Amino acid sequence: DQQVKQNSPSLSVQEGRISILNCDYTNSMFDYFLWYKKYPAEGPTFLISISSIKDKNEDGRFTVFLNKSAKHLSLHIVPSQPGDSAVYFCAASMTGGSYIPTFGRGTSLIVHP
Amino acid sequence: EAGVAQSPRYKIIEKRQSVAFWCNPISGHATLYWYQQILGQGPKLLIQFQNNGVVDDSQLPKDRFSAERLKGVDSTLKIQPAKLEDSAVYLCASSLDRLADTQYFGPGTRLTVL
Repeated sequence: DQQVKQNSPSLSVQEGRISILNCDYTNSMFDYFLWYKKYPAEGPTFLISISSIKDKNEDGRFTVFLNKSAKHLSLHIVPSQPGDSAVYFCAASMTGGSYIPTFGRGTSLIVHP
Repeated sequence: EAGVAQSPRYKIIEKRQSVAFWCNPISGHATLYWYQQILGQGPKLLIQFQNNGVVDDSQLPKDRFSAERLKGVDSTLKIQPAKLEDSAVYLCASSLDRLADTQYFGPGTRLTVL
């Protein structure tokens, strides 16, 4: 039973355009959400997070949007760069618990020059 | 600042053999995690340590997996005996404490069980 779902295994985008990665969750107890980025042969690195008290968080070219009623979040990358090509994991946790994140399966983003 | 170190990076063994992985977390990080990432899936927590004590090992297959963090710094994860389905990347992560919202991951150990 997947509590965090990333339904698109891959996404291909042209350099300079917007990349939108989507994530859905089923557990309404999740109140903290994170995106991790992973390059081949490396561990995941933290990218950006959002608390359930917000609906948007922005950090440079990266913006995460949260729609609590739809149990949906998305990561926007504008403009996309070839160096953004990586696997992006969505993760969710409960701050009333242990903060241990539940990860989605990941979406592989390819940004073409 | 040095990141999370793991060794070996790759390991190939036959089923029923044993294997051990080592992790050195970021200096000063009290909490250490071991994750298993099977191909095509996200990382799944196996065990969480706070200093040298176990906080959560509910997802650890204890009949074959064991882990320790004796001095509250380095950690070892062992599989004995290994099964084919244990083929995965084993990721170690650390955080300042167990309520920290950001974990820092090592590069992982890719295990292939033949």
